[in-house]
Amino acid sequence: GAVVSQHPSRVICKSGTSVKIECRSLDFQATTMFWYRQFPKKSLMLMATSNEGSKATYEQGVEKDKFLINHASLTLSTLTVTSAHPEDSSFYICSASGHAVYGYTFGSGTRLTVV
Amino acid sequence: SQQGEEDPQALSIQEGENATMNCSYKTSINNLQWYRQNSGRGLVHLILIRSNEREKHSGRLRVTLDTSKKSSSLLITASRAADTASYFCATDKQAGTALIFGKGTTLSVSS
Repeated sequence: GAVVSQHPSRVICKSGTSVKIECRSLDFQATTMFWYRQFPKKSLMLMATSNEGSKATYEQGVEKDKFLINHASLTLSTLTVTSAHPEDSSFYICSASGHAVYGYTFGSGTRLTVV
Repeated sequence: SQQGEEDPQALSIQEGENATMNCSYKTSINNLQWYRQNSGRGLVHLILIRSNEREKHSGRLRVTLDTSKKSSSLLITASRAADTASYFCATDKQAGTALIFGKGTTLSVSS
Protein backbone atom coordinates (compact mmCIF):
# COMPACT_ATOMS: atom_id res chain seq x y z
CA GLY A 1 0.00 0.00 0.00
CA ALA A 2 0.91 3.66 -0.01
CA VAL A 3 3.09 4.77 2.89
CA VAL A 4 3.83 8.26 4.09
CA SER A 5 6.52 8.58 6.72
CA GLN A 6 6.37 11.60 8.98
CA HIS A 7 9.17 12.58 11.35
CA PRO A 8 9.61 13.33 14.12
CA SER A 9 6.61 11.84 15.89
CA ARG A 10 7.18 14.01 18.93
CA VAL A 11 9.27 17.10 19.47
CA ILE A 12 9.70 19.49 22.35
CA CYS A 13 11.39 22.78 21.65
CA LYS A 14 12.04 26.05 23.40
CA SER A 15 10.20 29.23 22.53
CA GLY A 16 11.91 31.13 19.77
CA THR A 17 13.48 28.15 18.09
CA SER A 18 12.48 26.59 14.79
CA VAL A 19 11.31 23.05 14.22
CA LYS A 20 11.27 21.11 10.97
CA ILE A 21 8.81 18.33 10.29
CA GLU A 22 9.41 15.98 7.37
CA CYS A 23 6.89 14.08 5.36
CA ARG A 24 8.08 11.45 2.86
CA SER A 25 6.12 9.31 0.47
CA LEU A 26 8.00 6.03 0.47
CA ASP A 27 6.58 4.08 -2.43
CA PHE A 28 4.86 6.57 -4.68
CA GLN A 29 5.32 10.03 -6.06
CA ALA A 30 3.26 12.59 -4.20
CA THR A 31 2.24 15.26 -6.65
CA THR A 32 0.54 17.22 -3.91
CA MET A 33 1.02 17.32 -0.18
CA PHE A 34 -1.26 18.82 2.42
CA TRP A 35 -0.46 19.98 5.92
CA TYR A 36 -3.02 19.94 8.71
CA ARG A 37 -3.03 21.12 12.27
CA GLN A 38 -5.10 19.61 15.05
CA PHE A 39 -5.71 21.06 18.49
CA PRO A 40 -6.69 18.75 21.36
CA LYS A 41 -10.17 17.33 20.99
CA LYS A 42 -10.65 19.24 17.74
CA SER A 43 -10.73 18.32 14.10
CA LEU A 44 -8.03 18.65 11.48
CA MET A 45 -7.68 22.10 9.98
CA LEU A 46 -6.05 22.44 6.58
CA MET A 47 -3.05 24.75 6.75
CA ALA A 48 -1.62 24.62 3.27
CA THR A 49 -1.36 22.74 0.01
CA SER A 50 1.97 22.25 -1.70
CA ASN A 51 2.85 21.01 -5.14
CA GLU A 52 6.31 19.82 -6.02
CA GLY A 53 8.48 22.64 -7.25
CA SER A 54 6.05 25.46 -6.59
CA LYS A 55 5.11 27.68 -3.69
CA ALA A 56 2.62 26.41 -1.19
CA THR A 57 -0.91 27.76 -1.08
CA TYR A 58 -1.89 28.71 2.45
CA GLU A 59 -5.35 28.74 3.93
CA GLN A 60 -6.78 31.97 5.21
CA GLY A 61 -5.39 32.87 8.60
CA VAL A 62 -2.26 30.73 8.32
CA GLU A 63 0.94 32.76 8.48
CA LYS A 64 3.15 31.69 5.60
CA ASP A 65 6.23 33.29 7.12
CA LYS A 66 5.73 31.31 10.29
CA PHE A 67 4.89 27.98 8.73
CA LEU A 68 7.38 27.49 5.94
CA ILE A 69 6.54 24.67 3.57
CA ASN A 70 8.99 23.24 1.09
CA HIS A 71 8.10 20.58 -1.45
CA ALA A 72 11.41 20.17 -3.20
CA SER A 73 10.81 16.70 -4.62
CA LEU A 74 7.96 14.35 -5.44
CA THR A 75 8.70 12.36 -2.29
CA LEU A 76 9.50 14.98 0.32
CA SER A 77 7.71 17.92 1.85
CA THR A 78 8.80 19.77 4.96
CA LEU A 79 7.00 22.08 7.34
CA THR A 80 9.16 24.40 9.40
CA VAL A 81 7.60 26.17 12.34
CA THR A 82 9.73 29.26 12.77
CA SER A 83 10.22 31.14 16.01
CA ALA A 84 7.90 28.74 17.75
CA HIS A 85 5.69 29.90 20.59
CA PRO A 86 3.65 27.88 23.09
CA GLU A 87 0.48 28.59 21.09
CA ASP A 88 2.06 26.70 18.18
CA SER A 89 1.92 23.55 20.27
CA SER A 90 -0.31 21.19 18.35
CA PHE A 91 -0.54 17.96 16.40
CA TYR A 92 0.61 18.40 12.80
CA ILE A 93 -0.30 15.85 10.14
CA CYS A 94 0.73 15.66 6.51
CA SER A 95 -1.14 13.99 3.70
CA ALA A 96 0.03 13.09 0.24
CA SER A 97 -2.02 12.57 -2.86
CA GLY A 98 -0.82 10.94 -6.02
CA HIS A 99 -1.22 7.24 -5.40
CA ALA A 100 -3.34 5.71 -8.12
CA VAL A 101 -5.18 3.36 -5.79
CA TYR A 102 -5.14 4.90 -2.34
CA GLY A 103 -5.71 8.52 -3.25
CA TYR A 104 -4.81 10.25 0.00
CA THR A 105 -2.28 8.86 2.42
CA PHE A 106 -1.64 10.37 5.82
CA GLY A 107 1.50 10.53 7.88
CA SER A 108 1.32 9.43 11.50
CA GLY A 109 1.53 12.97 12.81
CA THR A 110 3.93 15.07 14.85
CA ARG A 111 3.16 16.22 18.37
CA LEU A 112 4.87 19.59 18.82
CA THR A 113 5.22 21.03 22.30
CA VAL A 114 6.77 24.46 22.67
CA VAL A 115 7.97 25.30 26.17
CA SER B 1 -11.66 25.75 6.67
CA GLN B 2 -14.11 23.13 7.84
CA GLN B 3 -16.60 21.42 5.63
CA GLY B 4 -19.36 20.64 8.03
CA GLU B 5 -20.65 19.16 11.18
CA GLU B 6 -20.70 15.71 12.68
CA ASP B 7 -23.61 14.75 14.80
CA PRO B 8 -23.52 13.85 17.60
CA GLN B 9 -20.33 15.41 18.94
CA ALA B 10 -20.05 12.66 21.51
CA LEU B 11 -21.67 9.25 21.78
CA SER B 12 -21.46 6.72 24.61
CA ILE B 13 -22.77 3.19 24.14
CA GLN B 14 -22.38 -0.31 25.49
CA GLU B 15 -20.52 -3.07 23.74
CA GLY B 16 -22.71 -4.87 21.26
CA GLU B 17 -24.86 -1.84 20.51
CA ASN B 18 -24.83 -0.05 17.18
CA ALA B 19 -23.36 3.41 16.79
CA THR B 20 -24.59 5.88 14.21
CA MET B 21 -22.76 9.06 13.35
CA ASN B 22 -23.90 11.68 10.91
CA CYS B 23 -21.97 14.14 8.82
CA SER B 24 -23.18 17.13 6.87
CA TYR B 25 -21.20 19.10 4.36
CA LYS B 26 -21.66 22.36 2.52
CA THR B 27 -20.32 22.14 -1.00
CA SER B 28 -20.48 19.68 -3.86
CA ILE B 29 -18.11 16.77 -3.44
CA ASN B 30 -16.12 14.22 -5.37
CA ASN B 31 -15.88 11.60 -2.63
CA LEU B 32 -16.66 11.36 1.05
CA GLN B 33 -14.45 9.38 3.38
CA TRP B 34 -14.62 8.35 7.00
CA TYR B 35 -11.58 8.18 9.24
CA ARG B 36 -10.96 6.97 12.77
CA GLN B 37 -8.47 8.50 15.14
CA ASN B 38 -7.48 7.02 18.45
CA SER B 39 -6.49 9.54 21.09
CA GLY B 40 -3.23 11.24 20.20
CA ARG B 41 -2.65 9.03 17.19
CA GLY B 42 -2.79 9.30 13.42
CA LEU B 43 -5.73 8.72 11.13
CA VAL B 44 -7.01 5.35 10.02
CA HIS B 45 -8.94 5.29 6.78
CA LEU B 46 -12.21 3.41 7.17
CA ILE B 47 -14.23 3.73 4.02
CA LEU B 48 -14.71 5.86 0.92
CA ILE B 49 -18.00 6.49 -0.82
CA ARG B 50 -18.16 8.18 -4.19
CA SER B 51 -20.59 10.95 -4.94
CA ASN B 52 -22.56 8.69 -7.29
CA GLU B 53 -22.93 5.96 -4.66
CA ARG B 54 -25.65 5.82 -2.04
CA GLU B 55 -24.52 3.05 0.28
CA LYS B 56 -21.39 1.08 0.98
CA HIS B 57 -20.49 -1.70 3.37
CA SER B 58 -17.20 -2.83 4.82
CA GLY B 59 -17.27 -5.42 7.57
CA ARG B 60 -19.20 -3.90 10.49
CA LEU B 61 -19.31 -0.51 8.79
CA ARG B 62 -22.15 0.84 6.71
CA VAL B 63 -21.95 4.24 5.10
CA THR B 64 -24.74 6.08 3.36
CA LEU B 65 -24.57 9.21 1.28
CA ASP B 66 -27.39 11.57 0.39
CA THR B 67 -26.05 14.22 -1.94
CA SER B 68 -29.41 15.98 -2.12
CA LYS B 69 -29.20 16.62 1.62
CA LYS B 70 -25.41 16.91 1.62
CA SER B 71 -25.17 14.37 4.39
CA SER B 72 -23.65 11.01 5.18
CA SER B 73 -23.99 8.53 8.00
CA LEU B 74 -21.62 5.95 9.41
CA LEU B 75 -23.09 2.95 11.18
CA ILE B 76 -20.89 0.68 13.25
CA THR B 77 -22.71 -2.50 14.15
CA ALA B 78 -22.03 -4.70 17.18
CA SER B 79 -19.61 -2.18 18.64
CA ARG B 80 -16.57 -3.20 20.63
CA ALA B 81 -14.51 -1.40 23.24
CA ALA B 82 -11.76 -1.15 20.61
CA ASP B 83 -14.06 1.05 18.52
CA THR B 84 -13.61 3.81 21.09
CA ALA B 85 -12.12 6.67 19.09
CA SER B 86 -12.94 9.89 17.28
CA TYR B 87 -14.55 9.56 13.87
CA PHE B 88 -14.28 12.17 11.14
CA CYS B 89 -15.83 12.52 7.75
CA ALA B 90 -13.79 14.22 5.07
CA THR B 91 -14.69 15.42 1.60
CA ASP B 92 -12.84 16.57 -1.47
CA LYS B 93 -14.31 18.78 -4.16
CA GLN B 94 -12.40 17.00 -6.88
CA ALA B 95 -9.65 14.44 -7.12
CA GLY B 96 -6.33 15.75 -5.87
CA THR B 97 -7.70 18.68 -3.90
CA ALA B 98 -7.43 18.82 -0.14
CA LEU B 99 -9.64 16.75 2.11
CA ILE B 100 -11.73 18.96 4.34
CA PHE B 101 -12.69 17.40 7.64
CA GLY B 102 -15.84 17.63 9.69
CA LYS B 103 -15.68 18.36 13.39
CA GLY B 104 -15.83 14.74 14.40
CA THR B 105 -17.75 12.46 16.73
CA THR B 106 -16.11 11.03 19.82
CA LEU B 107 -17.36 7.50 20.39
CA SER B 108 -16.95 5.75 23.70
CA VAL B 109 -17.82 2.06 23.91
CA SER B 110 -17.88 0.57 27.38
CA SER B 111 -17.71 -3.10 28.17
